[in-house]
Amino acid sequence: EVQLVESGGGLVKPGGSLRLSCGASGFIFTNAWMSWVRQAPGKGLEWVGLIKSKVVGGTTDYAAPVKGRFTISRDDSKNTLYLQMNSLETEDTALYYCASVFTIRNPAFDYWGQGTPVTVSS
Amino acid sequence: EIVLTQSPGTLSLSPGERATLSCRASQSVSSSYLAWYQQKPGQAPRLLIYGASSRAPGIPDKFSGSGSGTDFTLTISRLEPEDFAVYYCQHYGNSPLYTFGQGTKLEIK
Repeated sequence: EVQLVESGGGLVKPGGSLRLSCGASGFIFTNAWMSWVRQAPGKGLEWVGLIKSKVVGGTTDYAAPVKGRFTISRDDSKNTLYLQMNSLETEDTALYYCASVFTIRNPAFDYWGQGTPVTVSS
Repeated sequence: EIVLTQSPGTLSLSPGERATLSCRASQSVSSSYLAWYQQKPGQAPRLLIYGASSRAPGIPDKFSGSGSGTDFTLTISRLEPEDFAVYYCQHYGNSPLYTFGQGTKLEIK
């Protein structure tokens, strides 16, 4: 059974940092492209960023609102995905989901975690 | 940048009825990269349709997707109480890599 479990969310002041983790099991994490998606309270889904598998270079891509502030990384030895969030703004308050990419040809998100909440407030 | 516009914002129907949800792209997109998700309150989104018309594993055949170019549709036949939720379309492209529509709330009439 595929499982994605996020952790690391919490309350942080504007300008602060936080690192989220996403533990994966039930599939070959090393081969998976992974993404972070967030959802502000009462709002829709917003893509945050993606990291490809190291087999194809492990490159990353980010949405404009977080580019330069957020960094996605992965530790394939621990089957874990990370999201390092720096210079946090109140607009970053959201539930953060990690998700796996279905296939490269059909790059929808087939599995999602339950999310970890991040609140940025003074 | 591709913008996905979903309509209607809210759709009120009764169980047993058929739901038709629309997703319009601001420019022509590849069908291969269009997906639909269902999200119930307090739950993570669930992939329903990928490649515009292919059902994800385990998704019942009452859910169907269609469309091409700029206009895509999610159809849910014979609505059941558990189908009332928010539905999002999503596109995988260039910049940004992924775009979501704003969602359609399907509510019980």
